[in-house]
Amino acid sequence: AQTVTQSQPEMSVQEAETVTLSCTYDTSESDYYLFWYKQPPSRQMILVIRQEAYKQQNATENRFSVNFQKAAKSFSLKISDSQLGDAAMYFCAYRRYNTDKLIFGTGTRLQVFP
Amino acid sequence: ETGVTQTPRHLVMGMTNKKSLKCEQHLGHNAMYWYKQSAKKPLELMFVYNFKEQTENNSVPSRFSPECPNSSHLFLHLHTLQPEDSALYLCASSSSPGLAGEGGELFFGEGSRLTVL
Repeated sequence: AQTVTQSQPEMSVQEAETVTLSCTYDTSESDYYLFWYKQPPSRQMILVIRQEAYKQQNATENRFSVNFQKAAKSFSLKISDSQLGDAAMYFCAYRRYNTDKLIFGTGTRLQVFP
Repeated sequence: ETGVTQTPRHLVMGMTNKKSLKCEQHLGHNAMYWYKQSAKKPLELMFVYNFKEQTENNSVPSRFSPECPNSSHLFLHLHTLQPEDSALYLCASSSSPGLAGEGGELFFGEGSRLTVL
């Protein structure tokens, strides 16, 4: 069975600094998606960034980038120039091609200090 | 209109009540989902519907009864719930799975916070 592990329950970062959130996953599949979602106190889960497993190039969305290591089954999220609005729960998620299921990790709570 | 709308935002019910949660998506998606989010637990997938057909039931107790009348609407009927069912219930939608090149991501509503007394 596929699993997603986030080993950091909480992280903190100073405004304008960089922080990296860790995620590992377990799968025997070769075709899948990986995602980072953000859930602010308003509760709505918002997609931050997406990576398709067949793409070797790491995805980037403005200040957010990933380090995708397929062989190591690692998918970390780097947030550069952190802002107060980045404070939220961050969830790593996995979805195999041709399936409905999106499997989430337990989340990392990110605090941003001024 | 926002992409995925859930009502009510908050619900308090007794163990003998019957209530329903509603979800509506305006994104033209074919798949809809219910997730349960409890404190200090991973999000739990409950049900998935694809083109109105249930494709996933993750061993959910029968006191939770889903209904998907069309691809835009999803309900979760609640009956004889337990206090441990108190949680945030999230609805989501997505394009049909398995299409290479499509995003694969789910779009979520804001959730319905359920408290069972």
